[in-house]
Amino acid sequence: GAVVSQHPSRVICKSGTSVKIECRSLDFQATTMFWYRQFPKQSLMLMATSNEGSKATYEQGVEKDKFLINHASLTLSTLTVTSAHPEDSSFYICSARDLDGGAGETQYFGPGTRLLVL
Amino acid sequence: SQQGEEDPQALSIQEGENATMNCSYKTSINNLQWYRQNSGRGLVHLILIRSNEREKHSGRLRVTLDTSKKSSSLLITASRAADTASYFCATVRNSGNTPLVFGKGTRLSVIA
Repeated sequence: GAVVSQHPSRVICKSGTSVKIECRSLDFQATTMFWYRQFPKQSLMLMATSNEGSKATYEQGVEKDKFLINHASLTLSTLTVTSAHPEDSSFYICSARDLDGGAGETQYFGPGTRLLVL
Repeated sequence: SQQGEEDPQALSIQEGENATMNCSYKTSINNLQWYRQNSGRGLVHLILIRSNEREKHSGRLRVTLDTSKKSSSLLITASRAADTASYFCATVRNSGNTPLVFGKGTRLSVIA
């Protein structure tokens, strides 16, 4: 099946720094990728929809200036957590759909990035 | 926003027993999917059922969908300790590039 990778898998940073997380579709192209956040023992919450070549669409309550999304190519989307604070500590997961309509119903998920802000 | 509500929130069973998890959702959907997540790990896609389907099987998994009640169930038969994980239902409202919206999940513990 299709593979989505994320880098880094784990990051620890000091409060006030910015952290960039990369999401790549390895063997398929994706015009749209999705970013989710998951707090401990909770479900995945959709943060934003990343569109290649255009601005991301953010869910209600998600600050676009805080969580910068760039989708510069059909295989790469990045999420930058700016001026991270301890409350941003979470598990961030990206996903993508294959452009091929036949496989388009399945969303492929990355392995996630665990962010810890001290 | 979250679409689905899973029931129960937590379930503990003995190995060999069947586990049933339910999911309810609020809006019309194109399809509903079930995922498994081991603690602190990524998601594993289990099964997809379309809005015009009522039941689907995959190995020890059986999924039903009742669009009139906006609900789905996931049955895992002959459970194993390795089935211990969180299980989430997720819905897609339309075809195309619309995101999956996840329910709150059920934490399943299978005791050997």
